[in-house]
Amino acid sequence: NAGVTQTPKFQVLKTGQSMTLQCAQDMNHNSMYWYRQDPGMGLRLIYYSASEGTTDKGEVPNGYNVSRLNKREFSLRLESAAPSQTSVYFCASSRTSGPQHFGDGTRLSIL
Amino acid sequence: TQLLEQSPQFLSIQEGENLTVYCNSSSVFSSLQWYRQEPGEGPVLLVTVVTGGEVKKLKRLTFQFGDARKDSSLHITAAQPGDTGLYLCAGGSGGSNYKLTFGKGTLLTVNP
Repeated sequence: NAGVTQTPKFQVLKTGQSMTLQCAQDMNHNSMYWYRQDPGMGLRLIYYSASEGTTDKGEVPNGYNVSRLNKREFSLRLESAAPSQTSVYFCASSRTSGPQHFGDGTRLSIL
Repeated sequence: TQLLEQSPQFLSIQEGENLTVYCNSSSVFSSLQWYRQEPGEGPVLLVTVVTGGEVKKLKRLTFQFGDARKDSSLHITAAQPGDTGLYLCAGGSGGSNYKLTFGKGTLLTVNP
């Protein structure tokens, strides 16, 4: 009964390093999403994938790239990490217009 | 850009009190969802409302969608410490490219 699984749970990077955040869902959902959550800012959409093979920019896409590897997996890549990208990152999935199911987040600190 | 204004941002009350959280926008949404988030976890869906004027009850929680589908409220009766958490409203829009716009959240603390 995993739902949405995110890895890693915690990560510390140095400025300029790159990394990929992984997300997988086992609910056969078409749509997947990446958000960042910062104090006082709520959840902001970075990228989303309405269906396998498609990706679109959200509200705050700069500095990020995504890959919808298959129906189950949607990864988020930081090519050159910056301190402003310190945040908690959430992946979510849903049926096309259904409620979203969230993972437990990746806490990322960039020094 | 669609925006959802959520108020209050913080709320600290005593066990047994009632409270209302508001979610307002100038935009029309096709649906409105409420989530609750606990520390160290992702948001969890409480309810979805889709029809203007709709009222849904979930035990001591009452959710209402405005007639014009631009605003919503969450009312908690006789709050308990277990209700403590971050409450998020989210408006849904778009057809095949459906996505949510989140409010900034209301951090509720219920003191025993």
